Amino acid sequence: QQQVKQSPQSLIVQKGGISIINCAYENTAFDYFPWYQQFPGKGPALLIAIRPDVSEKKEGRFTISFNKSAKQFSLHIMDSQPGDSATYFCAASIRNFNKFYFGSGTKLNVKP
Amino acid sequence: GAGVSQSPRYKVAKRGQDVALRCDPISGHVSLFWYQQALGQGPEFLTYFQNEAQLDKSGLPSDRFFAERPEGSVSTLKIQRTQQEDSAVYLCASSLRELAGRWETQYFGPGTRLLVL
Repeated sequence: QQQVKQSPQSLIVQKGGISIINCAYENTAFDYFPWYQQFPGKGPALLIAIRPDVSEKKEGRFTISFNKSAKQFSLHIMDSQPGDSATYFCAASIRNFNKFYFGSGTKLNVKP
Repeated sequence: GAGVSQSPRYKVAKRGQDVALRCDPISGHVSLFWYQQALGQGPEFLTYFQNEAQLDKSGLPSDRFFAERPEGSVSTLKIQRTQQEDSAVYLCASSLRELAGRWETQYFGPGTRLLVL
């Protein structure tokens, strides 16, 4: 049973556009929601993360929106660039447990 | 500074062979994690070490999988009698402190791609 469900599986966006990736979870004990970026042949790297006491977090062109009541969170990439082309994973964890649950990933392709 | 390194980067094994995958975490990092990433999927937790203690091995898929971190630094994931379904990328991650009670950043290595024929 997948703890975190991610969509879409793949996404094509024109340069300068907005990329939106969505994740949903069921376990209300989750209290930390990071997003990871993975380039081919590399390990995932932390991009941005949010805690459930805030509804939005912005870092540069990357924004996480969090809807606690709907148990959903999303990543928005503004002004998408070809260099953003990568696979993005959402994840969730419970603070007192040493375990992360990852979504299945979204392969983003930003066309020049 | 150096990040998490893993070796080998690629491993081809015949079904039934034993393999050993190595992880060198960032120096001084207390926590070490192993994940299995199937093709087109997200990483799935295998096991967690705090220093040399293996505190969680709930994700290990079978008793053919064994991990150790004897001196609290380098870790080895061993897979005995490999099967085709073991083919995946095995990722190692480390964090400065234990995760419990904190929101620690995990730093991932590049992974070892295992192909079992």
